[in-house]
Amino acid sequence: DAGVIQSPRHEVTEMGQEVTLRCKPISGHDYLFWYRQTMMRGLELLIYFNNNVPIDDSGMPEDRFSAKMPNASFSTLKIQPSEPRDSAVYFCASSLTEKTQYFGPGTRLLVL
Amino acid sequence: TQLLEQSPQFLSIQEGENLTVYCNSSSVFSSLQWYRQEPGEGPVLLVTVVTGGEVKKLKRLTFQFGDARKDSSLHITAAQPGDTGLYLCASSSNTGKLIFGQGTTLQVKP
Repeated sequence: DAGVIQSPRHEVTEMGQEVTLRCKPISGHDYLFWYRQTMMRGLELLIYFNNNVPIDDSGMPEDRFSAKMPNASFSTLKIQPSEPRDSAVYFCASSLTEKTQYFGPGTRLLVL
Repeated sequence: TQLLEQSPQFLSIQEGENLTVYCNSSSVFSSLQWYRQEPGEGPVLLVTVVTGGEVKKLKRLTFQFGDARKDSSLHITAAQPGDTGLYLCASSSNTGKLIFGQGTTLQVKP
């Protein structure tokens, strides 16, 4: 079975550019989570969806970040405009319940 | 907000040694999960502990949940280079979200 799929795996961009990260959850999972991981702050939850509806976006750092889930098999996390401090690894995870989550391989973002 | 403290932050040992890492909180855990994250990959769930005093074993890994459900430990026997990675504990917050500790980075040298 395919796990959580994320693309791109690596992204290098310049400050001010728009960045779009993509995620395909495991089929049948009702929950989808977006996390950010940095050395300083560890693994932080940005936002999560249940049945395609955003439930909690309190972790989204600021208005430059937005996330959508147009259907059960696809979600995007967009940063516009990007800044160097957004450099991190961004993970998508999905689950049948909120507790047992399956993570994707992550997108390593570097904003120059 | 419940905070999870993990110790030690870094651990470098030789193959064959035993080790224990810890996860503590000032609040009671409803349940606690341990994940391992290998370099370049996402975290992978190892175990969930729910009952105070519970002990679970996964091959050479032994997970223990404190009686008061405020702490947990992971013990690895005869560590191998394949055990190298970041070990994260996580617990559900009051809102149901998973809160992660900062992790313990383990390096096992051949």
